[in-house]
Amino acid sequence: DTGVSQDPRHKITKRGQNVTFRCDPISEHNRLYWYRQTLGQGPEFLTYFQNEAQLEKSRLLSDRFSAERPKGSFSTLEIQRTEQGDSAMYLCASSTYSQETQYFGPGTRLLVL
Amino acid sequence: EDKVVQSPLSLVVHEGDTVTLNCSYEVTNFRSLLWYKQEKKAPTFLFMLTSSGIEKKSGRLSSILDKKELFSILNITATQTGDSAVYLCAVGWSFGNEKLTFGTGTRLTIIP
Repeated sequence: DTGVSQDPRHKITKRGQNVTFRCDPISEHNRLYWYRQTLGQGPEFLTYFQNEAQLEKSRLLSDRFSAERPKGSFSTLEIQRTEQGDSAMYLCASSTYSQETQYFGPGTRLLVL
Repeated sequence: EDKVVQSPLSLVVHEGDTVTLNCSYEVTNFRSLLWYKQEKKAPTFLFMLTSSGIEKKSGRLSSILDKKELFSILNITATQTGDSAVYLCAVGWSFGNEKLTFGTGTRLTIIP
C-alpha cells in the first residue's frame, strides 16, 4: 500500500516563472487537499477536490494559482508568475469520504529566487 | 475567525521524561481534532478525537479531548530521542474535515 506521493520534492525557480506540482493520492481516496506550509507555521488550507470536482478554495489561493484533478485521481497545482512570497512547502493530502483522517504526502519545497 | 493555539511553542526535555502538549481551539461547527507528528517532512497522523473524555492511546502516546473547555492534550511518556519532532494539532469542521485548521505546532526536543 503506497501512501500519498508528490513530485518534485524540491523546486528552485526564478521569480516570474511558472511551476507545476503533482500529487498522487492513496488509490482508493476520493478526496484530495492542497496545503501550504511556511517556516514555523502549521499547514494552511488552499483547496480540495472530491473526485474531479474542486469544492472549496481558500482566499490564499490567488488568481495566479490553479489546481486541477481532471480524472479524479492525481492532481496538479500550478503557480503562474511566481513571487518570492510563494516560497513554501506545498503539501498534498488525501482521504476517503467516509473516513475523515487526512494522510499527507512528503511535500514539494518551493524556493523562488 | 477560527483559531487553533498550541502551547508551549517549544519544549526541551531529557530522555525518559513525560511531556504534555496543549491545544486549544475556537472553531465554529467543531467536528473533530487531529494530532500529527512532523519531522523534516510530511505530517504523520497520530490520533483523531471526536468525543469528550475518551482517551485515545497508542503505545507511549495518549490524547484526550474536552469539548466543553475546547482543548486537547497529547501526552508522551518515557520520551525517546525519536520523539523529537513538531507536533501539530488540527481541527476539522462539521460535514467532514474538508478544511483542517492547524495550530503552529509545538517543537519537542528530546536530549539523550
